[in-house]
Amino acid sequence: EVQLVESGGGLVQPGGSLRLSCVASGFAFSSYAMSWVRQAPGKGLEWVSSISGSGTTFYTDSVKGRFTISRDNSKNTLYLQMNSLRADDTALYYCAKTVNSVWFFDLWGRGTLVTVSS
Amino acid sequence: SYELTQPPSVSVSPGQTASITCSGDKLGDKYACWYQKKPGQSPLLVIFQDTKRPSGIPERFSGSNSGNTATLTVSGTQAMDEADYYCQAWDSSTGNVVFGGGTKLTVL
Repeated sequence: EVQLVESGGGLVQPGGSLRLSCVASGFAFSSYAMSWVRQAPGKGLEWVSSISGSGTTFYTDSVKGRFTISRDNSKNTLYLQMNSLRADDTALYYCAKTVNSVWFFDLWGRGTLVTVSS
Repeated sequence: SYELTQPPSVSVSPGQTASITCSGDKLGDKYACWYQKKPGQSPLLVIFQDTKRPSGIPERFSGSNSGNTATLTVSGTQAMDEADYYCQAWDSSTGNVVFGGGTKLTVL
């Protein structure tokens, strides 16, 4: 079955860290770019970060220097290391399979919830 | 930074046609796509590369993109089409992906 399964979310204090994971199955993971997209409570979709199949990375301005996207093609797994977390990082984080060159998302996971609060 | 603008809400009667717009500077020079988002569900791609429908998406969903505006059209709208719809494009100059703010489609 073609699917993405996220994990690693939870409650963290401001300034803390979390690492999200996304395990892919049913497609040639290493051949595709992958991305993280988030949705804060009551807000719209927001792109967070993407990584090409070869490892080139892209970030939205608000997370540059705090978040790091990476992938392990041998484990079909995408990661998002989140440091210096802030209250406005609170959101449901989706992992998304990304079509290269035109950069749209044709497969989404169910999401993992990150709550930043003291 | 590049921005995409959508109307917050659109209303349509069942069986009628709904059009949702997405505006951005020279958007027609980029590829636009559209996602359907229902509460408690993951986003679903309904249109990519301006006009293409993924497998399994009903033919009543169509798209266009020209000038500064991309449009998602839902013909013969059904109650099940009630959802939030988001446009998205890729800004090649920065490598950034951009989403519109979303439009709530209400089927009255």
